[in-house]
Amino acid sequence: DARVTQTPRHKVTEMGQEVTMRCQPILGHNTVFWYRQTMMQGLELLAYFRNRAPLDDSGMPKDRFSAEMPDATLATLKIQPSEPRDSAVYFCASGRDRGLYVYEQYFGPGTRLTVT
Amino acid sequence: AQKVTQAQTEISVVEKEDVTLDCVYETRDTTYYLFWYKQPPSGELVFLIRRNSFDEQNEISGRYSWNFQKSTSSFNFTITASQVVDSAVYFCALSEARGAQKLVFGQGTRLTINP
Repeated sequence: DARVTQTPRHKVTEMGQEVTMRCQPILGHNTVFWYRQTMMQGLELLAYFRNRAPLDDSGMPKDRFSAEMPDATLATLKIQPSEPRDSAVYFCASGRDRGLYVYEQYFGPGTRLTVT
Repeated sequence: AQKVTQAQTEISVVEKEDVTLDCVYETRDTTYYLFWYKQPPSGELVFLIRRNSFDEQNEISGRYSWNFQKSTSSFNFTITASQVVDSAVYFCALSEARGAQKLVFGQGTRLTINP
């Protein structure tokens, strides 16, 4: 049963520290999405990759957030420096596009980040 | 701009009752996709269904059914004979058929099934 994996599952850090979250998409999926879930904003897209190339990161604060796909099996989301308002659950999702469309996005278990 | 509204913040019913979760969407696109996801207490997001804007047929999967009405921009979800395991937060989502295809989520409906 193929699944998206995310590490760490929980992270507590102090303001100003760098945070790196990792995602392993389902084997064979060529699209990766990063979402953030907070009580106030709900679920919102941060970044989107297809074939490892970033296609849309308009939802991501550029000054402190960065997303990369070093290879097809790893996507990373970094926050430097972290702030308390970054506290949220960060979800990675992957999918396989058929033509130009990704029909289903399968979500990982999320990383719960707390910045104190 | 796309928008999804789930007006019911919380619903609580007794086991075996039927329950309907409402979803209303806004989009200027003529082609789009609608989704429902389930988020159980464990926190993961579980894909339930995808519906193409061209396909207005209702769908049934076991105790779950979905009613898509383009005329009212609604995509409602009904659970028949609810069970305690159905307790979760349910999200309706919309995506365009082109471009970034990001999912725009509603705020979610927290469903509690009481024994």
